[in-house]
Amino acid sequence: DAGVIQSPRHEVTEMGQEVTLRCKPISGHDYLFWYRQTMMRGLELLIYFNNNVPIDDSGMPEDRFSAKMPNASFSTLKIQPSEPRDSAVYFCASSLRQGLHQPQHFGDGTRLSIL
Amino acid sequence: GEDVEQSLFLSVREGDSSVINCTYTDSSSTYLYWYKQEPGAGLQLLTYIFSNMDMKQDQRLTVLLNKKDKHLSLRIADTQTGDSAIYFCAESNQAGTALIFGKGTTLSVSS
Repeated sequence: DAGVIQSPRHEVTEMGQEVTLRCKPISGHDYLFWYRQTMMRGLELLIYFNNNVPIDDSGMPEDRFSAKMPNASFSTLKIQPSEPRDSAVYFCASSLRQGLHQPQHFGDGTRLSIL
Repeated sequence: GEDVEQSLFLSVREGDSSVINCTYTDSSSTYLYWYKQEPGAGLQLLTYIFSNMDMKQDQRLTVLLNKKDKHLSLRIADTQTGDSAIYFCAESNQAGTALIFGKGTTLSVSS
C-alpha cells in the first residue's frame, strides 16, 4: 500500500518566489492535514480538510499561505510570495475518519529553504 | 485551549529503560497517542491508549495514563540505538477532529 506521498522532498528558492507543495493522501482517507515543523515552534497544524472541504484554517500563518484540495487524491499548499521565515519542513497527513480512533498517516515531508 | 507539554531531551545508555513524559490539558480527549519521528522522515504512530485505560503494554513499550494529573508516559524497555528519534505525545482537540502535538522529546541512545 502506498503511503502519503509528498513532492518535492526538497525545495530551495529565493524569497519572493511562489512555492507549491503537493500531497497525495492514502486512497480512501477522507481527512487531510497540513503541518509545519520548525525547531522553534515544533509541529503546527496549518489547515485540515474533510471530504475535500477546508474545515479549520486557523493555523495558516498569513494570507500568503493558501491550500486547496480539488479532489480526494490531491492537495496543494501554496506560499506566495515566500519569505525566509517560511523555511521549515512541511508535512501532509491523512486519516480515515475522526471521532473514533483513526491514526494520522504522515508523508515524509517537504524540506523548504527560502533564501 | 488545548496544550501538550513534553521535556525536550532524554539521553540513555543502550539496554537501559527510557521514560518519556507528557502532560496534556484536555480531559475530554478520548485517545492519547505516541508518535515517533526518525531523521528525515514523517511521524509514525507508535502506540495509543484509550482514556478509560491506565496502562497499555505492547512488546517493549508501556504507556501509563494518569487521568487525574493529565499525565502520560511512554516507557521503552531495553532501549536500543535504533530507538534514537523524536517522540511526540498527542491528544485530540475538543472537536475530536484533529490532533494537538507536543514539541517532541529527542531520545538519544548511546552504546
